Amino acid sequence: GAVVSQHPSRVICKSGTSVKIECRSLDFQATTMFWYRQFPKQSLMLMATSNEGSKATYEQGVEKDKFLINHASLTLSTLTVTSAHPEDSSFYICSASPLRNQETQYFGPGTRLLVL
Amino acid sequence: QKEVEQDPGPLSVPEGAIVSLNCTYSNSAFQYFMWYRQYSRKGPELLMYTYSSGNKEDGRFTAQVDKSSKYISLFIRDSQPSDSATYLCAMSDGSSNTGKLIFGQGTTLQVKP
Repeated sequence: GAVVSQHPSRVICKSGTSVKIECRSLDFQATTMFWYRQFPKQSLMLMATSNEGSKATYEQGVEKDKFLINHASLTLSTLTVTSAHPEDSSFYICSASPLRNQETQYFGPGTRLLVL
Repeated sequence: QKEVEQDPGPLSVPEGAIVSLNCTYSNSAFQYFMWYRQYSRKGPELLMYTYSSGNKEDGRFTAQVDKSSKYISLFIRDSQPSDSATYLCAMSDGSSNTGKLIFGQGTTLQVKP
């Protein structure tokens, strides 16, 4: 149980294009989903917290117009990187907190984004 | 000072050794403690979840929480090369209703055959 999927797993795009990443909780409903960014050999950096049906809460320094988050249902959240630039290249990971245990998070496998 | 401190390592041990991974924290309100394992280029996997102080065992893994010392540990018995990964501690106070976790930097473990 507690499986989270992400799609795509890898994406390469040209500078200036937008990229959408999907995060799904497959076998549980999630009150909250989180989006992280991780640079090589570094820990996770929380970008934003999203609750189903409401606006995402962004961490300080994260541009909300750059990283659009939509939490359409209790099992799906999407992150859209708009007008991507090479500096947006990174490993993006989502996580989800189950309704039954909101104090923990289950992570997706991550999406590696490379912007050329 | 970071809220959660974790030695990044790397920690290298021979196969079969007992591994001890640790984190210290400063916020006495933390009540929920987790250990995650992250393989290279993968998302973190929840290994252990503990509420408040005490020990919890699951197979070769034992998690310990000492709230009086603000210190948590993860022990791995009979370590295997497949245990080679980065181990992240994470914790929360459970009171903010945001569900946010505070992570340690992660310790890179290498188990040599």
